[in-house]
This record gives sequence, C-alpha cells and structure tokens, in this order.
Amino acid sequence: DGGITQSPKYLFRKEGQNVTLSCEQNLNHDAMYWYRQDPGQGLRLIYYSQIVNDFQKGDIAEGYSVSREKKESFPLTVTSAQKNPTAFYLCASVVRGGLTDTQYFGPGTRLTVL
Amino acid sequence: AQSVSQHNHHVILSEAASLELGCNYSYGGTVNLFWYVQYPGQHLQLLLKYFSGDPLVKGIKGFEAEFIKSKFSFNLRKPSVQWSDTAEYFCAVNAQDTGGFKTIFGAGTRLFVKA
Repeated sequence: DGGITQSPKYLFRKEGQNVTLSCEQNLNHDAMYWYRQDPGQGLRLIYYSQIVNDFQKGDIAEGYSVSREKKESFPLTVTSAQKNPTAFYLCASVVRGGLTDTQYFGPGTRLTVL
Repeated sequence: AQSVSQHNHHVILSEAASLELGCNYSYGGTVNLFWYVQYPGQHLQLLLKYFSGDPLVKGIKGFEAEFIKSKFSFNLRKPSVQWSDTAEYFCAVNAQDTGGFKTIFGAGTRLFVKA
C-alpha cells in the first residue's frame, strides 16, 4: 500500500525531554511537510522540505528541528525549548511541492507533555 | 502576510439543509485553492481543488466550490447535506514562498449534521 505513516500514534513526554516523531512515505514524493493542529487554529506549518538534505522553516519553527537525509523520511524533533508542545502533529507529502500539488496526509501523532 | 480566513468555526445543520462555508484568502500572486476534509477518525484528505479555467469546481460527494477572484473567495457549497458529511473542513491556498511553495490553511470549520 502506498501512503504516509506516522509513529507513534500517541506519545507522552515529560517536560524538559526531547522527543522525535517519525514520518515515512513510500509515494516517491519530493516534498514533505510538518504541521501542528490545535483546536480553532487549523494547521500551522512547522517545517517543510522540497528535496533531500534541504528544509525550510515554516511559520512556527521555534522549538522544533527536522532532518531530511532520505527522500522517504522526514522526522520531527520536538525539543525542550518548545513552550507548548502538546498538540496533534500531521505530516504530509506532495509530488514536487509546486503550486498545483495536492497534499497527502498521514494519520497524525498526538503528543502530550505531562 | 498570506492568510486564509474561514468565516464559521462551527456549523450545525439538519439533514437535507443546504451548506455554504465561507473562505477568503489574502495573497496577491498566483494561487491554487483547495478544500480538504477530515472525517472523524480519518486522515485529512482532498475534497476539491481549483487551478484554472471554470471557476466553479466540483469535488467528491456532491460538494462544489466557486472561485471569485475579485472577492478573493473560494466558498464551499453542497445543496443537501447528509449525516455522513459531519467532519472538519479546511480551506487552503498554495502560494509561492521564498523557499519554494507552501500551503496555507484556514482555521477549519467543524460541521455537525443532525440526522
């Protein structure tokens, strides 16, 4: 099956800990994205990557880091510097990252900081 | 700054009622417009999209949207909603950015359809 997988589905973390969320796609898409979804705020862009070994900050990148060492993988690290990390995190990919591209989304990871 | 505004955060309708969800965007360049839907427990998925040509576009499950360039709007409509349309709907714009292209999402509208 082609698609995007995110793991884990639920994640609990203590304050002060870094945690890494996984995102993998087997769609052979070039571009990948990380969003944060909060009630009443829609999806806000954290980071995106158009090609391997390159990525750009989105609107709310502070306290997050990413890497793109492989085309199919785009992990997101939520660092202890992120002041309000409890949220639902969505990963998405598109064929090329162009104006006409539709985004394909994973199932999401719900992170709770205790 | 680029932005997408959705007029209603929560909408409650009875089955067979007509639906219109408002969406306005703020961007002066070339855009492509989308509506995505998130059904309970499912992935966010594409409902319909507009790139060019006929400003009235049709999507899945009887939804349609009209692009009005002069009003920077892309409202979603359905003549008769069903209980299964209960979901969260997001308007989105693909726009050029310094790092390439990015998608800007509205805050979403939660639709609840009463059986």
